[in-house]
Amino acid sequence: NAGVMQNPRHLVRRRGQEARLRCSPMKGHSHVYWYRQLPEEGLKFMVYLQKENIIDESGMPKERFSAEFPKEGPSILRIQQVVRGDSAAYFCASSPPVLSRGTQYFGPGTRLTVL
Amino acid sequence: DAKTTQPTSMDCAEGRAANLPCNHSTISGNEYVYWYRQIHSQGPQYIIHGLKNNETNEMASLIITEDRKSSTLILPHATLRDTAVYYCIAGETSGSRLTFGEGTQLTVNP
Repeated sequence: NAGVMQNPRHLVRRRGQEARLRCSPMKGHSHVYWYRQLPEEGLKFMVYLQKENIIDESGMPKERFSAEFPKEGPSILRIQQVVRGDSAAYFCASSPPVLSRGTQYFGPGTRLTVL
Repeated sequence: DAKTTQPTSMDCAEGRAANLPCNHSTISGNEYVYWYRQIHSQGPQYIIHGLKNNETNEMASLIITEDRKSSTLILPHATLRDTAVYYCIAGETSGSRLTFGEGTQLTVNP
């Protein structure tokens, strides 16, 4: 059973470009979470999605950031007009539809570098 | 989520048990205690969770005090690969987010 997959693993963008980060949850998992880890800082919750629904986006920056989890395909975290402060590791996690949603399984992360 | 307090760092000799404490004195009745670890910039890894009974799995044991104000994660035979930051999190099972604090940097020494 494959784990949570994220791609790309490393992404380099210039200021002003768009970054698209993809996350494929574990098989059978319908809940997806995105977290951000700034350099030398802790992990911060960004958004929680189920298929075709955003459940909790209280951790998302108000501008330039969006997330989706379509009926088919991976979850996408999109960052428009990136700035240097967006450089971070972005982790996706998934959990099954039942049982404890505190039990989340994380992917390897995407390391975004903004030049 | 209830606030948790952990020591900043701990050392352990390889092959010995590592006992990582966590204080969660404001935990509410419906909040579980979760433990995760992050090995050098990898994605966090779920270890174990519990409500009030002690729990054990293939990775670790979790001891929760009777008043639930604190807990201890036990790695029975620490190896070098257990060197990581360990996070203790108190949260509801129905909640959406995990609130990561600073965690404990565990260093297992040969």
